[in-house]
Amino acid sequence: GAGVSQTPSNKVTEKGKYVELRCDPISGHTALYWYRQSLGQGPEFLIYFQGTGAADDSGLPNDRFFAVRPEGSVSTLKIQRTERGDSAVYLCASSARRGTEAFFGQGTRLTVV
Amino acid sequence: GQQVMQIPQYQHVQEGEDFTTYCNSSTTLSNIQWYKQRPGGHPVFLIQLVKSGEVKKQKRLTFQFGEAKKNSSLHITATQTTDVGTYFCAGWDKIIFGKGTRLHILP
Repeated sequence: GAGVSQTPSNKVTEKGKYVELRCDPISGHTALYWYRQSLGQGPEFLIYFQGTGAADDSGLPNDRFFAVRPEGSVSTLKIQRTERGDSAVYLCASSARRGTEAFFGQGTRLTVV
Repeated sequence: GQQVMQIPQYQHVQEGEDFTTYCNSSTTLSNIQWYKQRPGGHPVFLIQLVKSGEVKKQKRLTFQFGEAKKNSSLHITATQTTDVGTYFCAGWDKIIFGKGTRLHILP
């Protein structure tokens, strides 16, 4: 596609449920990043993929969070046993290669009730 | 780990006044990127600075990378209402964002 696509755009889930957030990067972009942004804050780094592998997952807050990118394109961020504190906008970005201009998707607004 | 700090956190200016935001890193950066996020939107890339002491201009925006590659600034001349938003600097590698400077324009 022309840009980074994230689905769903909004997700409301109950506390304790499992959610998956999807990111379709720009075709050919090898680097993919996930961020979490709370109101009034800057994007908080979660994980970075180079190709299929998670090159850096140091930003994942705990083991309830996991992300995959099995074929080096689409990525899924998975959150188990959601908590109210997980409510935020989850942003995905891709770039042609590590450290170059990143293009962001519109984000998925996750609300845990 | 790498940290990027921005000041000020908020800035209110009269339309037509200049605006500057500053970015400081705890470590030397390979490059620094600047992004703008409009209210309700997502970050949009503005520019990347790579060289020590580099200065780049985009119309009314001037970006500067410090000699030690640990700080950067964004200066907007004669602000307009379209400049409203939050400006983020981001360090290379994982693209670690600062907390941003939120710019409000008073008409």
